[in-house]
Amino acid sequence: DIQMTQSPSSLSASVGDRVTITCRASQSISTYLNWYQQKAGKAPKLLIYAASSLQSGFPSRFSGSGSGTDFSLTISSLQPEDFATYYCQQSYSTPYTFGQGTKLEIK
Amino acid sequence: EVQLVESGGGLVQPGGSLRLSCAASGFTFSDHYMDWVRQAPGQGLEWVGRTRNKVNSYTTEYAAFVKGRFTISRDNSKNSLYLQMNSLTTEDTAVYYCARERAAKVGAVECDSWGQGTLVTVSS
Repeated sequence: DIQMTQSPSSLSASVGDRVTITCRASQSISTYLNWYQQKAGKAPKLLIYAASSLQSGFPSRFSGSGSGTDFSLTISSLQPEDFATYYCQQSYSTPYTFGQGTKLEIK
Repeated sequence: EVQLVESGGGLVQPGGSLRLSCAASGFTFSDHYMDWVRQAPGQGLEWVGRTRNKVNSYTTEYAAFVKGRFTISRDNSKNSLYLQMNSLTTEDTAVYYCARERAAKVGAVECDSWGQGTLVTVSS
């Protein structure tokens, strides 16, 4: 199975900050990397797919990059509604595997 | 609008069985792979398994931890996905989500729509 290592596991930041979350795969996954946003008590929402494509409905302050084994999710200017937990997921091969999540909290 | 609505969760004793359902609407159900993903309380997301689409004969695959206990099926005439869970243990306690797979572009596979989830609690 492909292991996904996400960091940090938690992050405290302020509105307006620029934040970056990283995700590393245990083997090359090309661009089969997705990011999901999950708010408390809600289902995950697809945020970024194919490593860098922004899902419809999300603002352009979210961006993704990377290929192979190293990926990142950047929020350019945090807004109050962005405080949530973010998960990376590889869809290169089954079993699909997720990172352990990054909980983004308000400082 | 794509909608996925899970049902069937509840309290079950260890060793028991439960069947979850996911009602789909707003898209051509038979065209899509469909997945089950679970989330234990306070924990991260864990892929359970999936059923492929019509072109790929609706075949299924599972995570190793399923160990033959779970069966994913679909009824395309009812636009419904199912997860039959047997020999449940306390470690299966989780919110179970169904999700639609999409391949929006070459080099991509993603779960673009999710249901609201249904809670399964395994406890004596």
